[in-house]
Amino acid sequence: GIQVEQSPPDLILQEGANSTLRCNFSDSVNNLQWFHQNPWGQLINLFYIPSGTKQNGRLSATTVATERYSLLYISSSQTTDSGVYFCAVDTGGSYIPTFGRGTSLIVHP
Amino acid sequence: KAGVTQTPRYLIKTRGQQVTLSCSPISGHRSVSWYQQTPGQGLQFLFEYFSETQRNKGNFPGRFSGRQFSNSRSEMNVSTLELGDSALYLCASSLAIDNGYTFGSGTRLTVV
Repeated sequence: GIQVEQSPPDLILQEGANSTLRCNFSDSVNNLQWFHQNPWGQLINLFYIPSGTKQNGRLSATTVATERYSLLYISSSQTTDSGVYFCAVDTGGSYIPTFGRGTSLIVHP
Repeated sequence: KAGVTQTPRYLIKTRGQQVTLSCSPISGHRSVSWYQQTPGQGLQFLFEYFSETQRNKGNFPGRFSGRQFSNSRSEMNVSTLELGDSALYLCASSLAIDNGYTFGSGTRLTVV
């Protein structure tokens, strides 16, 4: 099946810093989603972005499908951004998302 | 509109018992998927239901089963619980199979 690799695995930031999270995938994908899992386990859909660039407040994402990667940008990070960020991709065959192992982000005040 | 609702939030069971978890999707969403999340294996797909039919299934033993009702609510059942079944079980609903997912808050199952 498709392989999804996220980097870095862990990230520690000071409040106000910017960061870039990366998701590489091994095959062509039909869809790509970014999620944030808060410390209570809730997974929140951030972006549904099979290609192109989207922005939502301090967060933006870019997917370059032809080169098989996606980037999630977090600007002016806040302590509430802490948690684990997951990338999930699916191929056209099954449409069932395969998740990466995530990037664990801690933002210190 | 109401989100995806999973009950119960927490559950403690003994090895050998069985457990049933419930998921109510967003109104109008007909696709419901279940995932198991553990520190060691990450998020792993269990199964997906659409219009009361299991459409996709992950690589889990037959002890894991599910169903979907006519109102799109779904249940998953785990029989003969093992210690390794301790995990966060997440349910997600979507409008269609190629739309984005909305997850519930999960059920944290502990098997002792």
